[in-house]
Amino acid sequence: DSGVTQTPKHLITATGQRVTLRCSPRSGDLSVYWYQQSLDQGLQFLIQYYNGEERAKGNILERFSAQQFPDLHSELNLSSLELGDSALYFCASSYGGGRFTGELFFGEGSRLTVL
Amino acid sequence: AQSVTQPDIHITVSEGASLELRCNYSYGATPYLFWYVQSPGQGLQLLLKYFSGDTLVQGIKGFEAEFKRSQSSFNLRKPSVHWSDAAEYFCALPGGGNKLVFGAGTILRVKS
Repeated sequence: DSGVTQTPKHLITATGQRVTLRCSPRSGDLSVYWYQQSLDQGLQFLIQYYNGEERAKGNILERFSAQQFPDLHSELNLSSLELGDSALYFCASSYGGGRFTGELFFGEGSRLTVL
Repeated sequence: AQSVTQPDIHITVSEGASLELRCNYSYGATPYLFWYVQSPGQGLQLLLKYFSGDTLVQGIKGFEAEFKRSQSSFNLRKPSVHWSDAAEYFCALPGGGNKLVFGAGTILRVKS
């Protein structure tokens, strides 16, 4: 158990809809990362938050947005969903302060299926 | 731009046999390098990491990896594979800021 909690574990929705994925980081971790894993793209970094502020942005579509709340949990919002958004979305956390250790703690992921 | 290549999509080994998973990187300087494992239905877990110093690093679950600058490689090894090692393995390096860039992964199958 990594200590990172993601909900929901599975989600099935239709094209054009909007969903919210939630992540609670490991206790004491200030950084939250979102990754998308799909068969054709592999593991793609989407976005990172550190203590409530956006720290780094990757291949995140404009239809997607995220935020980190004062209690450090994070939400990833996916809107105007398309078939190609079907993927496994991972949240990871790390302390985020001081030297970069590269050790990210991953949740079990939220599997999104868009029909 | 920094990148990671894992040439083998699938590898099958017999239980008890040795294992080597390949990883090649492209980076402007000596990188930090990582191996992560993803068991079925699970998130990724850090196996080991290389920052500097000794080029042979030990990790969890009996895995080790060797950094070879001349070959731009960071191959993962295990002397004797167990059925529970069946998983997908990812090599990674920093991609700027505090994020990691992952390779495409290698799926390991273990046959009894």
